Amino acid sequence: GNSVTQMEGPVTLSEEAFLTINCTYTATGYPSLFWYVQYPGEGLQLLLKATKADDKGSNKGFEATYRKETTSFHLEKGSVQVSDSAVYFCALSVNTGNQFYFGTGTSLTVIP
Amino acid sequence: DAGVTQSPTHLIKTRGQHVTLRCSPISGHKSVSWYQQVLGQGPQFIFQYYEKEERGRGNFPDRFSARQFPNYSSELNVNALLLGDSALYLCASSSGRPWDNQPQHFGDGTRLSIL
Repeated sequence: GNSVTQMEGPVTLSEEAFLTINCTYTATGYPSLFWYVQYPGEGLQLLLKATKADDKGSNKGFEATYRKETTSFHLEKGSVQVSDSAVYFCALSVNTGNQFYFGTGTSLTVIP
Repeated sequence: DAGVTQSPTHLIKTRGQHVTLRCSPISGHKSVSWYQQVLGQGPQFIFQYYEKEERGRGNFPDRFSARQFPNYSSELNVNALLLGDSALYLCASSSGRPWDNQPQHFGDGTRLSIL
């Protein structure tokens, strides 16, 4: 079947620290991979995406590389800011296109 | 341009009642999906509609139903509400056809509380 597994949170980092949030997946067919971010009281916002193996998605200093050999799509940022505090969701969509499969989310708090 | 809009933003109901949630997609988007997000969890897929037809259904009971209108807006209906239906209900729209794997764009959700 299709599923996404994210690292457990919560994660607390100091400002300017390096961030990694692990995400692995299982999929029937060839998935597209996404990271979404959810700020308190808001819906989900697309952060970045990758649609084929070895693609690197990037946005706002965040990056993730589609690794087919390890079925992973880890999120990274070199220097986090307080404004990055949010919940991050890894997700996949397969080419049947009926739905997105989300991980359970990883809560990130960045302290000054 | 307006994003995905949902109404109402908050709703309080009692067990056994029914509820209707509404969603307007981004202009030009013909695909609408509904998700349930329980506190502390990721969104769980409920329905997808494209061109006014149901294209996918998640593992939810028949108490949940939805429809899409000619202007591509959508309603989610839940009957015989249970305490476990308390959640944030998210609507998402996407461009293209469902199998194009386009990103989904989410509204801010409707917070449903069952007493």
